[in-house]
Amino acid sequence: EDQVTQSPEALRLQEGESSSLNCSYTVSGLRGLFWYRQDPGKGPEFLFTLYSAGEEKEKERLKATLTKKESFLHITAPKPEDSATYLCAVQAGSGYALNFGKGTSLLVTP
Amino acid sequence: ETGVTQSPTHLIKTRGQQVTLRCSSQSGHNTVSWYQQALGQGPQFIFQYYREEENGRGNFPPRFSGLQFPNYSSELNVNALELDDSALYLCASSPGVGGFFQETQYFGPGTRLLVL
Repeated sequence: EDQVTQSPEALRLQEGESSSLNCSYTVSGLRGLFWYRQDPGKGPEFLFTLYSAGEEKEKERLKATLTKKESFLHITAPKPEDSATYLCAVQAGSGYALNFGKGTSLLVTP
Repeated sequence: ETGVTQSPTHLIKTRGQQVTLRCSSQSGHNTVSWYQQALGQGPQFIFQYYREEENGRGNFPPRFSGLQFPNYSSELNVNALELDDSALYLCASSPGVGGFFQETQYFGPGTRLLVL
């Protein structure tokens, strides 16, 4: 059975303190790995799609990387507005669903 | 370009009742997926619709059903509501053939359902 595990569950950073979020996965036939940001009470907001090991994508202070077993979301010099839950999801095999992890809740303090 | 919209935003029902949630897909998107997100959890896939047909289903009982209309909007219906059905219900739309391509799914704001 496909599994997606995110760590840590919660992370508190000071403004400017860089860190990484981890998403490890066990799937058969990965077709895509997706990162979303979710603010409280709102729908997930798309950030990145990664398709193959070695791929990297960047957007402002965020950089996502992918290996054969895990993905990292690196946050460089975070700001308080980066506080949110970050969700990782995989799409695999011939299925249609996004299989999500439980998310990492990030709090960035001034 | 209009994003995914959902209605209503909030809903309170009692156990045993039925509910219908609505979703309008993003302009140009013909595939709609529905997810259930319990508090503190990641979204769980309910089903997907493409060209008005169910195109894949997660591990949810038959009392969860749906429709897609010719304009690609969609409904999620839940019969015989249970307390555990309390959750944020998310609709996501995507372009292209349902599921086969690595298309990104774009989410709406969700409908918060509370079952008492």
